Amino acid sequence: DTAVSQTPKYLVTQMGNDKSIKCEQNLGHDTMYWYKQDSKKFLKIMFSYNNKELIINETVPNRFSPKSPDKAHLNLHINSLELGDSAVYFCASSQDLNNQPQHFGDGTRLSIL
Amino acid sequence: EDKVVQSPLSLVVHEGDTVTLNCSYEVTNFRSLLWYKQEKKAPTFLFMLTSSGIEKKSGRLSSILDKKELFSILNITATQTGDSAVYLCAVVIQGAQKLVFGQGTRLTINP
Repeated sequence: DTAVSQTPKYLVTQMGNDKSIKCEQNLGHDTMYWYKQDSKKFLKIMFSYNNKELIINETVPNRFSPKSPDKAHLNLHINSLELGDSAVYFCASSQDLNNQPQHFGDGTRLSIL
Repeated sequence: EDKVVQSPLSLVVHEGDTVTLNCSYEVTNFRSLLWYKQEKKAPTFLFMLTSSGIEKKSGRLSSILDKKELFSILNITATQTGDSAVYLCAVVIQGAQKLVFGQGTRLTINP
């Protein structure tokens, strides 16, 4: 019944590794997003996709590569993880680009050792 | 640069008190303003405000937008310990189709 679900919930890994976070929404929404939330709880947009097409890329390093196989899924792959990548990553969706609000997943806490 | 600023950053009150959280913004092309509540996990949607002066209300929570002075307030009356959370304000930028978030207000309600 979860509207926006992310996996895994926790990810602990070493610097230099490559990892992926998956996101799925069952709301029938057209638009999906990835946000990064730092330790001070500041949420910052990273990417948005509309109908599988990239709309926003907010100056995110190209080590981060989103992939949208269909409009219900938006996965985030991160190469060569760095200490500064430690954060909580939230996936969200909205009906379309102009229709808010966005509905958020529970987040993936990424810790880099 | 689009900016959303919330105040206070942190607030501690006793159960039963009334609180007012503030959100001011400077953005290029305003479309709407949203309030979210974040407890341990996902931010959950509270209100969306598009027009000035129209109060939105849900139980003990209410919010209003002033597009002339570029701010919004979120009021919580008769606070309960379950209201303890981080409250996030975000502005939708017309054309850019993105949310710009403030840094949040951490509200703690003591019994």
